[in-house]
Amino acid sequence: EVQLVESGGGLVQPGGSLRLSCAASGFTFSSYGMNWVRQAPGKGLEWISNIGSSSTTKYYADSVKGRFTISRDNAENSVYLQMNNLRVEDTAVYYCARAGGQLWSRYWGQGTLVTVSS
Amino acid sequence: DIQMTQSPSTLSASVGDRVTITCRASQSISSWLAWYQQKPGKAPKLLIYKASTLESGVPSRFSGSGSGTEFTLTISSLQPDDFATYYCQQYDSYSLFGQGTKLEIK
Repeated sequence: EVQLVESGGGLVQPGGSLRLSCAASGFTFSSYGMNWVRQAPGKGLEWISNIGSSSTTKYYADSVKGRFTISRDNAENSVYLQMNNLRVEDTAVYYCARAGGQLWSRYWGQGTLVTVSS
Repeated sequence: DIQMTQSPSTLSASVGDRVTITCRASQSISSWLAWYQQKPGKAPKLLIYKASTLESGVPSRFSGSGSGTEFTLTISSLQPDDFATYYCQQYDSYSLFGQGTKLEIK
């Protein structure tokens, strides 16, 4: 059974940093790209980043480019999202998802809440 | 940048109804479109990818069609479990979700 478990969310002040982690199990992690998708309270879904299976490719939405960095450790079956210079508008539930082959997502974690507030 | 316009934003329907949700892209995205269902407090669930390919385990009352710039998600006979919010997602150029359609009980 595919499982994706996010962690690392919490309350952070504007301008601060946070690192999200996603632990994967139940599939050959090194064979799949991974996505991060977020959802602000009461709002829709926003794709924010993708990393290829071997970290060769990394893509970002314009809203996070230059502030967020995606990475992965295939030995640890984990994907990460380093978030710097956080803004109030980054407040959201952040989902980790296994890509289906391109940037769509077949399996999703339960999400972790990031709150940016002073 | 590609823009995605999903309509309607809210849809009221009854059990047994046939409903259609539309997603329009500002430029051609071929068939690079997925549909998801999301219930409150839960992660999205993949329904359809590549515009019309039904994800394994998804009931056959769900279907997707379209290519280029216009796409539809159809539920042939609404069931109580189908009342949720639905999103389209293009993945032709990076990725972008539609604004969502909340399907409510009439």
